[in-house]
Amino acid sequence: DAKTTQPPSMDCAEGRAANLPCNHSTISGNEYVYWYRQIHSQGPQYIIHGLKNNETNEMASLIITEDRKSSTLILPHATLRDTAVYYCIVRPPIAGGTSYGKLTFGQGTILTVHP
Amino acid sequence: AAGVIQSPRHLIKEKRETATLKCYPIPRHDTVYWYQQGPGQDPQFLISFYEKMQSDKGSIPDRFSAQQFSDYHSELNMSSLELGDSALYFCASSLEGYGTHEQYFGPGTRLTVT
Repeated sequence: DAKTTQPPSMDCAEGRAANLPCNHSTISGNEYVYWYRQIHSQGPQYIIHGLKNNETNEMASLIITEDRKSSTLILPHATLRDTAVYYCIVRPPIAGGTSYGKLTFGQGTILTVHP
Repeated sequence: AAGVIQSPRHLIKEKRETATLKCYPIPRHDTVYWYQQGPGQDPQFLISFYEKMQSDKGSIPDRFSAQQFSDYHSELNMSSLELGDSALYFCASSLEGYGTHEQYFGPGTRLTVT
């Protein structure tokens, strides 16, 4: 699986947009970019994923560069409850029963949202 | 909506004892994953099951074993416990037969080995 690089920590003011970058320069053409977050000692939570197009859901937006070597997770209006470790994970496509489903968590970004 | 259920939530064992952790996936999910998260570390993949068959294996010690039962719940059995096994153990489930990709995690079992 392609390696990802994220800044170890970021700060954001409550109500402002939080933009979390991720580099994945060795990503393969069929690999997806996933974002999960983990709020202190809770189970990781799925946020969003994408292949090449930008994606948006009720939680966040994902912007993937045209060359797919980097991406940015955007939390449009950060709240104190968004304080968490955010993980960017690159993963091959899933085919039921294959070994590709596991998530390989690297060093994520500790996002601290302050009042 | 139903979530992944793990039991027990907390478990205290002594060295060399045995522990069994249980995971009940979201209904109709066909895949279960187990992850271990040591203190101050990131979650690490242990083992996974798809349709009750082991589908992948990570850095799982030989002292650990796991299985998925006919009702899709899974159990992680840990024997000859060591102090280093103290960690959070997460179970996640997904519906991969239909390629939905997302894994939903349970609240975890905190295992303390003394």
